[in-house]
Amino acid sequence: AQKITQTQPGMFVQEKEAVTLDCTYDTSDQSYGLFWYKQPSSGEMIFLIYQGSYDEQNATEGRYSLNFQKARKSANLVISASQLGDSAMYFCAMREGRTGNQFYFGTGTSLTVIP
Amino acid sequence: DAGITQSPRHKVTETGTPVTLRCHQTENHRYMYWYRQDPGHGLRLIHYSYGVKDTDKGEVSDGYSVSRSKTEDFLLTLESATSSQTSVYFCAISDWLAGVYTGELFFGEGSRLTVL
Repeated sequence: AQKITQTQPGMFVQEKEAVTLDCTYDTSDQSYGLFWYKQPSSGEMIFLIYQGSYDEQNATEGRYSLNFQKARKSANLVISASQLGDSAMYFCAMREGRTGNQFYFGTGTSLTVIP
Repeated sequence: DAGITQSPRHKVTETGTPVTLRCHQTENHRYMYWYRQDPGHGLRLIHYSYGVKDTDKGEVSDGYSVSRSKTEDFLLTLESATSSQTSVYFCAISDWLAGVYTGELFFGEGSRLTVL
């Protein structure tokens, strides 16, 4: 079974609109972490946001927020007020394991922001 | 920016030749990882290390070996490269301590390998 599932291979959003990128995960661990990364066309991997499994509040970082629904095992990324520079691949990832050293990535969602 | 350097950044080689990719970090992080990125597959873990001389296999380890003789260096070796190993390889580091580090991965810039 896939540890991380991203069901949207490609998404389009109008500039200045909000967009939600979906991510579901599968783990039996109680302690885990969820991450989102951005990969622009230049290729580097940029860390965006983190949510711990015990965090009760949804994580926010500027225009990024993580909609964490633990019972549904979902960790959707919300980007508010989209900008042209948000066009990129977005990867959801999970860290699990008692020693915290196992990382799993989804297949990614390609986001295109339309002017 | 995290101090992670990958070398070489680009390499073209022929089938059957050995290839070694190097990852060097200046952050003293415990964990080091090698991923490969291919279209439609996202990032897949090849091998990782949780300390000097402590390594373990990831989901796509066949045809790859690793070594970590110093905290700062993690080497990925393709003993006999094949065309299916043409890919972009990323090194990543992290540290995780409950309540201290969240454990996010910091990535190197990637190494593009082409096997002809």
